[in-house]
Amino acid sequence: GENVEQHPSTLSVQEGDSAVIKCTYSDSASNYFPWYKQELGKRPQLIIDIRSNVGEKKDQRIAVTLNKTAKHFSLHITETQPEDSAVYFCAASREAAGNKLTFGGGTRVLVKP
Amino acid sequence: DVKVTQSSRYLVKRTGEKVFLECVQDMDHENMFWYRQDPGLGLRLIYFSYDVKMKEKGDIPEGYSVSREKKERFSLILESASTNQTSMYLCASSFGALNEKLFFGSGTQLSVL
Repeated sequence: GENVEQHPSTLSVQEGDSAVIKCTYSDSASNYFPWYKQELGKRPQLIIDIRSNVGEKKDQRIAVTLNKTAKHFSLHITETQPEDSAVYFCAASREAAGNKLTFGGGTRVLVKP
Repeated sequence: DVKVTQSSRYLVKRTGEKVFLECVQDMDHENMFWYRQDPGLGLRLIYFSYDVKMKEKGDIPEGYSVSREKKERFSLILESASTNQTSMYLCASSFGALNEKLFFGSGTQLSVL
């Protein structure tokens, strides 16, 4: 089955700096890569996703890049703000019935004012 | 807004008890999932269902079973609770046959004593 590894497990950045979280996956047939954000005490919510037919996707201050050859993808947050403090999860899946996502272990991001 | 409701926020049970965790979604989603969340391990899939009365094992199904008698309701059953099943349990749902955004419930923190 799929295995997703995520690094780092914790990340502390100064407000205004950039944050980068990296994930690797094992199943070369995976073609869908979402990122979820979980604020303290709240439920995870999708913030951005990318499919294997594109190499990069951007939405305001967040962007995701995908390298299918190397089987890794990354989340980039620019101009970090205190509200970016949360746990971020990457995930991977094949495009198949049921949308069976395999998640990484999570990265706790702390943005210091 | 999609609502995914889990019946209990906190639950304390004794070893050996049979435990039912209930999840209801109100958006006519085909797919429903049960994950457990443990620090450093991310979200691990226990079971999922992509149709009424259909169920599929996830990555860690041992010690659990599920029931989906109606489209909107997906129940997770711990046949004989054990201390290593102490965890946060998250239910999620999604629409459609292909990869789609997951909508999560607010979670049930289960403690097995």
